[in-house]
Amino acid sequence: AQSVTQLDSHVSVSEGTPVLLRCNYSSSYSPSLFWYVQHPNKGLQLLLKYTSAATLVKGINGFEAEFKKSETSFHLTKPSAHMSDAAEYFCVVSGYTGTASKLTFGTGTRLQVTL
Amino acid sequence: EPEVTQTPSHQVTQMGQEVILRCVPISNHLYFYWYRQILGQKVEFLVSFYNNEISEKSEIFDDQFSVERPDGSNFTLKIRSTKLEDSAMYFCASSGVSGQAGELFFGEGSRLTVL
Repeated sequence: AQSVTQLDSHVSVSEGTPVLLRCNYSSSYSPSLFWYVQHPNKGLQLLLKYTSAATLVKGINGFEAEFKKSETSFHLTKPSAHMSDAAEYFCVVSGYTGTASKLTFGTGTRLQVTL
Repeated sequence: EPEVTQTPSHQVTQMGQEVILRCVPISNHLYFYWYRQILGQKVEFLVSFYNNEISEKSEIFDDQFSVERPDGSNFTLKIRSTKLEDSAMYFCASSGVSGQAGELFFGEGSRLTVL
């Protein structure tokens, strides 16, 4: 079985400062990991994914994440926050059920960006 | 850019009524999913569907739930007799690739309110 733990339910940063959203995973095999973002009243949008290629993954809107097997972590970072980054962020691990992918979501981190 | 579309965006129903949520997946995708998010809780897997049959379903997906692909484009979730605890945001997703790395594309969700 796989799971993810998002260590912060709420993060607040000032515009222009770095963002760090933390995620730890548990998986009995080499995982595929994702970060999804959900803006208010919108669907879930894929930010980036790790699938056992490069450990540093670059995504959309300047976000990136680093897969660290020794720490079982997949933290999401961005050098400089923008007001439009305010949203809910989900760390997700994928399992394979034989014919389809199945995602297990973390509880989410709400990112607030202040002026 | 192709997208998953869901209707209705919001439905209010009385307890015990039947509800059908509709989804149009991305046209060349073969794997279809329903997830739900009860207010303030995690996004949870309900069911995956491939080759006109259910691949996997969660404990939540009991006999009150059914899925169908009635034609070449729609994918529906039916709740036969709604309960108060079925109130949630329901997300449809599709993917073109199976396996752990399969990226799921989500719709904007259908908010179901059961009174």
